[in-house]
Amino acid sequence: EVQLVESGGNWVQPGRSLRLSCAGSGFTFGDKAMHWVRQAPGEGLEWVSGISWNAGRIGYADSVKGRFTISRDRNSLYLQMNSLTPEDTAFYFCVKDKGYNILLDGGWFDSWGQGTLVTVSS
Amino acid sequence: DIQMTQSPSSLFASVGDRVTITCRASQSIATYLNWYQQKPGRAPKFLIYAASSLHSGVPSRFSGSGSGTDFILTISSLQPEDFATYFCQQSYNTPLTFGQGTKLEIK
Repeated sequence: EVQLVESGGNWVQPGRSLRLSCAGSGFTFGDKAMHWVRQAPGEGLEWVSGISWNAGRIGYADSVKGRFTISRDRNSLYLQMNSLTPEDTAFYFCVKDKGYNILLDGGWFDSWGQGTLVTVSS
Repeated sequence: DIQMTQSPSSLFASVGDRVTITCRASQSIATYLNWYQQKPGRAPKFLIYAASSLHSGVPSRFSGSGSGTDFILTISSLQPEDFATYFCQQSYNTPLTFGQGTKLEIK
């Protein structure tokens, strides 16, 4: 059974940094693209970032480009978030792709973690 | 960026009804269109990929169709567990983008 467990969510002040982690199990982590998708309370879904199976292709939403950095290692996914603003407040989901790439041959979000809450407020 | 627009935003229906939800892309995305279901307080669930391919374990009452810019999610006979919010999402180009959601409620 696929399991994705996020950690690192917290309350932070604007301008500060936070690092999210996601531990994956129950599948061959290195074979799949991975993503972060966020959802502000009561709002819709926003793709934040994705990384292909070998980290050869990485993408970001315009809203986080230059501030957030996605990375991965053998069994974990990470999101380094800098210069946080109140607009970044949301549940952040770690998402496994059905494919190996982040689009075309991927971009299919077939398993989701339970989410970790990031609150940015003074 | 590719904008995804769903209609309607909310929909009232009864158990046993046939329901359709539409998703329109701001440019052609071939069949790089996926559908998700989300219930309150839960993570989304993957339903359909590549416009019409059913994800494993998804009941056959769900189906998808379309290509280019216009897509449809159909639920052939609504069950009580289907009342939820549905999102479409394009995987043609980054940034990957979602529709705003369609909330399916009991009439």
